[in-house]
Amino acid sequence: DQQVKQNSPSLSVQEGRISILNCDYTNSMFDYFLWYKKYPAEGPTFLISISSIKDKNEDGRFTVFLNKSAKHLSLHIVPSQPGDSAVYFCAASANGGATNKLIFGTGTLLAVQP
Amino acid sequence: GEEVAQTPKHLVRGEGQKAKLYCAPIKGHSYVFWYQQVLKNEFKFLISFQNENVFDETGMPKERFSAKCLPNSPCSLEIQATKLEDSAVYFCASSQGAGAYGYTFGSGTRLTVV
Repeated sequence: DQQVKQNSPSLSVQEGRISILNCDYTNSMFDYFLWYKKYPAEGPTFLISISSIKDKNEDGRFTVFLNKSAKHLSLHIVPSQPGDSAVYFCAASANGGATNKLIFGTGTLLAVQP
Repeated sequence: GEEVAQTPKHLVRGEGQKAKLYCAPIKGHSYVFWYQQVLKNEFKFLISFQNENVFDETGMPKERFSAKCLPNSPCSLEIQATKLEDSAVYFCASSQGAGAYGYTFGSGTRLTVV
């Protein structure tokens, strides 16, 4: 039972345009959501997070939107840069995101074309 | 140090042999997590520790897998009598705990069982 789903295995975007990565979840107990970025042969790197009490969190070029009623979150990257090319994982946690296990989606491979 | 150090980077074991993986968390981080990435993009939570105490072991297989975090030593994940299906990348991560945003992953140990 996949509690966190990323339905797009891959996404290709032109440099300078917006990248939108989507994530859906099924467990209403999740209260903290995170995005990780992963390059080949490296561990995932924390990118941005959002608590369920918010609907938006912004950090530079990265913005995460949370729609609790739809159990949907998205990561917006604008403007996209070639260095953003990586696999992006959505993750969710119940009772906080730093002490409890994370449930990961299956990832979306983002390719930013120069 | 400021990184989670995992050793070895690669490990090859014959079926039935023992495998032992090590993880040195970031100094000052009290939580340690182990994840298994079997398929290319699928992370499975195994176990977490709060200091040397098991915090959550709901993902640990009942047989053959064990883990420890002892004071003044790297944490370890041990697999007795490895099977082909244990072939995966094993990631360790650490966190300061409550109030932190996400956690920091190591670069993983690739275990190949032949």
